[in-house]
Amino acid sequence: QKEVEQNSGPLSVPEGAIASLNCTYSDRVSQSFFWYRQYSGKSPELIMSIYSNGDKEDGRFTAQLNKASQYVSLLIRDSQPSDSATYLCAVNTGRGSTLGRLYFGRGTQLTVWP
Amino acid sequence: DVKVTQSSRYLVKRTGEKVFLECVQDMDHENMFWYRQDPGLGLRLIYFSYDVKMKEKGDIPEGYSVSREKKERFSLILESASTNQTSMYLCASSSTSGGYSYEQYFGPGTRLTVT
Repeated sequence: QKEVEQNSGPLSVPEGAIASLNCTYSDRVSQSFFWYRQYSGKSPELIMSIYSNGDKEDGRFTAQLNKASQYVSLLIRDSQPSDSATYLCAVNTGRGSTLGRLYFGRGTQLTVWP
Repeated sequence: DVKVTQSSRYLVKRTGEKVFLECVQDMDHENMFWYRQDPGLGLRLIYFSYDVKMKEKGDIPEGYSVSREKKERFSLILESASTNQTSMYLCASSSTSGGYSYEQYFGPGTRLTVT
């Protein structure tokens, strides 16, 4: 059973603060890691991909990956009310018959208040 | 930009009806997926396909079937709709480009209500 765990939240931060979203995964051979943002009533939208240990920055978003600890996180700097959404962590093992399949966490609901 | 389209945003069907949900992607992706999403249960994989005429069961295939006759199109079929299939249905596609990829891109979703 491949598991991806996220804190369900809700996580509430004030505007301008850093929001930190965390995700752990069970399959050690996982190779590709993704963060999706999902607004209420909408479909998930890919916002970050990370494949190597360390940090990857894209604008206000930073993804952090630690394969030894089986941990991936998303930091949102200068949080805005428009960042209020559910954030889904997804993991791909990249092997065997499940090649291409992503395993999703249940998501963390983030609220940024003005 | 990858574009994944789904045939309907909202659909209301009666119990026992046969329901077809269509998904089309325009990026020549090899992989296509059907999920359902319910509050508190997250995204659950129903079926996926790696190539034309290929299909594999996901975690909750019971009550569903799929068809992939063309690379760009992946259909989800509810053989006899039941009220417990009321849900948001999401289609996604991704590319097998070797190395590290497999980013999935989602369609807008179909909210199906079975009465």
